[in-house]
Amino acid sequence: EAGVAQSPRYKIIEKRQSVAFWCNPISGHATLYWYQQILGQGPKLLIQFQNNGVVDDSQLPKDRFSAERLKGVDSTLKIQPAKLEDSAVYLCASSLAGGPLETQYFGPGTRLLVL
Amino acid sequence: AQSVTQLGSHVSVSEGALVLLRCNYSSSVPPYLFWYVQYPNQGLQLLLKYTSAATLVKGINGFEAEFKKSETSFHLTKPSAHMSDAAEYFCAVSDTGGYQKVTFGTGTKLQVIP
Repeated sequence: EAGVAQSPRYKIIEKRQSVAFWCNPISGHATLYWYQQILGQGPKLLIQFQNNGVVDDSQLPKDRFSAERLKGVDSTLKIQPAKLEDSAVYLCASSLAGGPLETQYFGPGTRLLVL
Repeated sequence: AQSVTQLGSHVSVSEGALVLLRCNYSSSVPPYLFWYVQYPNQGLQLLLKYTSAATLVKGINGFEAEFKKSETSFHLTKPSAHMSDAAEYFCAVSDTGGYQKVTFGTGTKLQVIP
């Protein structure tokens, strides 16, 4: 079974530029999560999708971050414009149906450096 | 809001020694609790989870954790450390109802000394 795929693996941009990350979850997984992991901290949930609908985006900085999952499969997270403090690893995870006991399967992450 | 506190951002143990990584949760009712491991340049992988079915939970790679309500703790242990255990470990908490919303701790980096 293929795992969660993310691209690119690394990205370096200058502040005020825009960037986009892509995630393809495990086939058949209805729930998709985007996390931000700043160096020295645990992952922080940015947004959670159930199929193509948003379940939780309470911690997403909506003035600069956006995410979509148009067909309920793969997803894109965008930052526009980027700030220095957006330097982090962006993790995508998926689970079968989003139940409280389900296992989340994580991709390898995209490491973003904003200069 | 649910939260977890991991004591010690770095822990060093000798190969073959006991591994003990500490996690305390903050919740008005017993939540679901998880331990994840993150190897360098990899995503997180579930080690084990507490579901209220049993207080002692066994996970992969010889790890286990014990839920202690009186101490609001869910510490992770392994009797004998192996070099391959060197990684970062995250404790996490989730409500028991609705969609899963996991809050992670700040992580503990485990170093295993040969």
